Amino acid sequence: DAGVIQSPRHEVTEMGQEVTLRCKPISGHNSLFWYRQTMMRGLELLIYFNNNVPIDDSGMPEDRFSAKMPNASFSTLKIQPSEPRDSAVYFCASSLGGNTIYFGEGSWLTVV
Amino acid sequence: DAKTTQPTSMDCAEGRAANLPCNHSTISGNEYVYWYRQIHSQGPQYIIHGLKNNETNEMASLIITEDRKSSTLILPHATLRDTAVYYCIVRTQGAQKLVFGQGTRLTINP
Repeated sequence: DAGVIQSPRHEVTEMGQEVTLRCKPISGHNSLFWYRQTMMRGLELLIYFNNNVPIDDSGMPEDRFSAKMPNASFSTLKIQPSEPRDSAVYFCASSLGGNTIYFGEGSWLTVV
Repeated sequence: DAKTTQPTSMDCAEGRAANLPCNHSTISGNEYVYWYRQIHSQGPQYIIHGLKNNETNEMASLIITEDRKSSTLILPHATLRDTAVYYCIVRTQGAQKLVFGQGTRLTINP
């Protein structure tokens, strides 16, 4: 079975550019999570959705970050404008309700 | 969710059992113990979880003390591919999110 699919796997962009990260959750899962991982802060939860509705976005760092889930099989995390301090690995994960959460392989973002 | 305490790093010889401890002294009755690991450059991988009873699957065993204040993840025959950061997480029953700590960096030596 396909797991959580993220794209792009790697992105290098210039400061000020818009970045869009994409995620396809596991089919049938109704909860979706976006995490960010840096050396300094470890794995942080940015936002999660339940049945396509954002439930907790308290981890979103600032207004430059936005996330959407237009349907059950697709989500985006957008950074506009991007800054060098946004360089990190961004993970998408999904679950069926409160059951086990499964992670994608991550999107490695470098902002120069 | 209750906090967890894990050693920063551990070493284990290949072929031996790796025993990773976790302290969760403030755990509540409706909180599960979850273990994930993260191999370098990959996403976190689910290993096992439990509430009160010991659990075993194809990857590992989870031993939870009777008072539930601590647990041990056991990798019975560690291989070099088990080198990773292992996270012990306490999660409320029915809660949706996972909160990660710093984990234990386990190195399997040949």
